[in-house]
Amino acid sequence: KQEVTQIPAALSVPEGENLVLNCSFTDSAIYNLQWFRQDPGKGLTSLLLIQSSQREQTSGRLNASLDKSSGRSTLYIAASQPGDSATYLCAVASNDYKLSFGAGTTVTVRA
Amino acid sequence: EPEVTQTPSHQVTQMGQEVILRCVPISNHLYFYWYRQILGQKVEFLVSFYNNEISEKSEIFDDQFSVERPDGSNFTLKIRSTKLEDSAMYFCASSAARARSHEQYFGPGTRLTVT
Repeated sequence: KQEVTQIPAALSVPEGENLVLNCSFTDSAIYNLQWFRQDPGKGLTSLLLIQSSQREQTSGRLNASLDKSSGRSTLYIAASQPGDSATYLCAVASNDYKLSFGAGTTVTVRA
Repeated sequence: EPEVTQTPSHQVTQMGQEVILRCVPISNHLYFYWYRQILGQKVEFLVSFYNNEISEKSEIFDDQFSVERPDGSNFTLKIRSTKLEDSAMYFCASSAARARSHEQYFGPGTRLTVT
């Protein structure tokens, strides 16, 4: 069974600082990995998807890396803003496409 | 931009009652999913659906649960006899096979409260 762990559970940074969010998974036989943003009481917004054959994916201030062999992904958010405050979820898709989620990292960016 | 929609946004029901949660996936998507998130816990996979049948289901998805695509646009999750522990946020998602990415797009969720 795929287990997904996210460290740290919470993070508080001043505005402008870069964010580094970590995700690890136990089974390297994955189809893809998605990073999501979740605001309190809301749905999940897809931020980035990395295919199992890719090492990196970028979108604006966001960059995600994938090291499948070691079971790790990292989400970098450059020059954080108060609007980046949310919970960030890592989800790993197995070959049948179902997603296994981590518990998330709750980010607070202080103005 | 196309999006997944879900109704209702909040459903309150009494224990033992049947509920139907509704979803409209993105129109050209072929794969559909239900997930749930109990307050303070991880998002959990319930079921996936493709080509008018269940592809995968988790151990949570027992005989009390069923899914249906009654027409070309809706995708529903039915819970036959709700229990207190069914209280959760239920998310519908859909994906296409375009470029084989299977990126999943989630709806805003239905908050189910069982009293």
